Amino acid sequence: QQQVKQSPQSLIVQKGGISIINCAYENTAFDYFPWYQQFPGKGPALLIAIRPDVSEKKEGRFTISFNKSAKQFSLHIMDSQPGDSATYFCAASGGGSYIPTFGRGTSLIVHP
Amino acid sequence: KAGVTQTPRYLIKTRGQQVTLSCSPISGHRSVSWYQQTPGQGLQFLFEYFSETQRNKGNFPGRFSGRQFSNSRSEMNVSTLELGDSALYLCASQKDAGANEKLFFGSGTQLSVL
Repeated sequence: QQQVKQSPQSLIVQKGGISIINCAYENTAFDYFPWYQQFPGKGPALLIAIRPDVSEKKEGRFTISFNKSAKQFSLHIMDSQPGDSATYFCAASGGGSYIPTFGRGTSLIVHP
Repeated sequence: KAGVTQTPRYLIKTRGQQVTLSCSPISGHRSVSWYQQTPGQGLQFLFEYFSETQRNKGNFPGRFSGRQFSNSRSEMNVSTLELGDSALYLCASQKDAGANEKLFFGSGTQLSVL
């Protein structure tokens, strides 16, 4: 049973465009939602995270939008740059377990 | 401050063999977790060690095992390798166990089983 569903699997965006990656979760006890960025040959690195007490969190060009009633959260990358080309993973944890459950990842390619 | 170090970087084994992977966490970090990353399944949690004790375990067969030493370094062992074990194995460390603690990943060990 996949507890965190991520889409799309791959995404191609032109430089300067907006990249949007969506995740949906099933466990209503989840209360921590991080996004990780992974470049080829490297391990994932924490990009930004949100808790359900806020509906949006912004850090530079990266924004997480959170919809508790729909059990969905998304990552928006504004003014996407070729350097943003990477694989992005959403994750969720909570309900007595701090071990994150990861989505299957989105491969983002930003064309110059 | 050095990051999470995993060795070896690449490994090629044949079916039926066993393999040991090593992870050195960031200095001062006491929690070490292991993940299996494959293109189709993403990151799957294997187990977590804290102060030499396994605190959490994922849904993997008993062929996958691990341990943590008193200096927080950790090893992961896979016995009787199968073709499906081919994957990137990632180690992550945290200062302490808990959701508020940031996970720091190593670059992984790419295991190929032939």
